[in-house]
Amino acid sequence: AQSVAQPEDQVNVAEGNPLTVKCTYSVSGNPYLFWYVQYPNRGLQFLLKYITGDNLVKGSYGFEAEFNKSQTSFHLKKPSALVSDSALYFCAVRDMTSGGYQKVTFGIGTKLQVIP
Amino acid sequence: DTEVTQTPKHLVMGMTNKKSLKCEQHMGHRAMYWYKQKAKKPPELMFVYSYEKLSINESVPSRFSPECPNSSLLNLHLHALQPEDSALYLCASSQVGSLNNEQFFGPGTRLTVL
Repeated sequence: AQSVAQPEDQVNVAEGNPLTVKCTYSVSGNPYLFWYVQYPNRGLQFLLKYITGDNLVKGSYGFEAEFNKSQTSFHLKKPSALVSDSALYFCAVRDMTSGGYQKVTFGIGTKLQVIP
Repeated sequence: DTEVTQTPKHLVMGMTNKKSLKCEQHMGHRAMYWYKQKAKKPPELMFVYSYEKLSINESVPSRFSPECPNSSLLNLHLHALQPEDSALYLCASSQVGSLNNEQFFGPGTRLTVL
């Protein structure tokens, strides 16, 4: 079965500093990886995805993620954190289905706190 | 239109009530999903509809009854719920048939069962 692990429950970073939210994955076959963000009392918003191609994936709101096959990691990064980036971040992996629809497994989530 | 809408935003119901959650999208997506999310936890998949047919039921109790009346609408009918069913219920949609399609989520319905 596909799975992702987010080893940190919470990440604190000062505003203006670079941020990293970690994710490692375990899949059989090619990985299809996603990052979503959830603001308080809201649904999830898609940030970016890795399917194939460049290992550095650029997404919404200045976020990017680095896919590393040898380390089975897909860490989320941003060069300069904003207070408004404070939210809950979920890494997810697409499960293989025969039906053509998406079935994803989410990590437990990492709370990002950007300190002014 | 890249939005998934959900109504109501908040719902309080007793254990003997019958209520329904509604979800709508106009992106032409033919897969729609219901998730349950407890506080500070990841979403848990409940149901998947593909081309208006139920494709996945993740062993959800029968007090939750999904319905997909057309390609744009998804309902979740609730009856005789328990207090532990209190949660944020999220609807999502995606395209079908491609490996790289992300899901679009609605804002959720915050359900409280008394």
